[in-house]
Amino acid sequence: DSGVTQTPKHLITATGQRVTLRCSPRSGDLSVYWYQQSLDQGLQFLIQYYNGEERAKGNILERFSAQQFPDLHSELNLSSLELGDSALYFCASSVGLGTGDSPLHFGNGTRLTVT
Amino acid sequence: QKEVEQDPGPLSVPEGAIVSLNCTYSNSAFQYFMWYRQYSRKGPELLMYTYSSGNKEDGRFTAQVDKSSKYISLFIRDSQPSDSATYLCAMSYYTGANSKLTFGKGITLSVRP
Repeated sequence: DSGVTQTPKHLITATGQRVTLRCSPRSGDLSVYWYQQSLDQGLQFLIQYYNGEERAKGNILERFSAQQFPDLHSELNLSSLELGDSALYFCASSVGLGTGDSPLHFGNGTRLTVT
Repeated sequence: QKEVEQDPGPLSVPEGAIVSLNCTYSNSAFQYFMWYRQYSRKGPELLMYTYSSGNKEDGRFTAQVDKSSKYISLFIRDSQPSDSATYLCAMSYYTGANSKLTFGKGITLSVRP
């Protein structure tokens, strides 16, 4: 068990809808990362928060947004959903600011299916 | 050329075999090298973590980094059916204010009893 908790495990929704994915990092970890995993693209970095502030952005669509709350849990909001948004969404956390000397620990993901 | 290339697989070996998984990279700035293991329906789990060139051993697993050739490997000795999973290489470097972490696409390993 990595200590990173993600809810819900599965989500099925229709195109055009909006969903919220939730992540609780490991105790003591200040950084939270969101990744999208699909069969053809592999793990794609979306966004990173450190202690409540956005630190880095990856290939995150404008329809997607995230935030990290004072208790350090994070939420990823996906809106105007399209079929192509169907994927596994992973949250990861680390102690430090960066990923160099502070490896990531992943949750078990949320499987999103858009119909 | 992608920053990180990983053999696509899949790979199937008999139990007890020695497995070699490889990744190449193009960015010489990468300093930290990792291997993650991902079981079906689970998140990636950190398996090995190394800094700079050389070998690191942990039980049946050995991670090897050759920075001069921009090549990293993961060796699994006496492979077991429980090693059946997807293995992802990952590497990172500092950009000053932050760092960049890049994953390979992963290779699926199946160990046959």
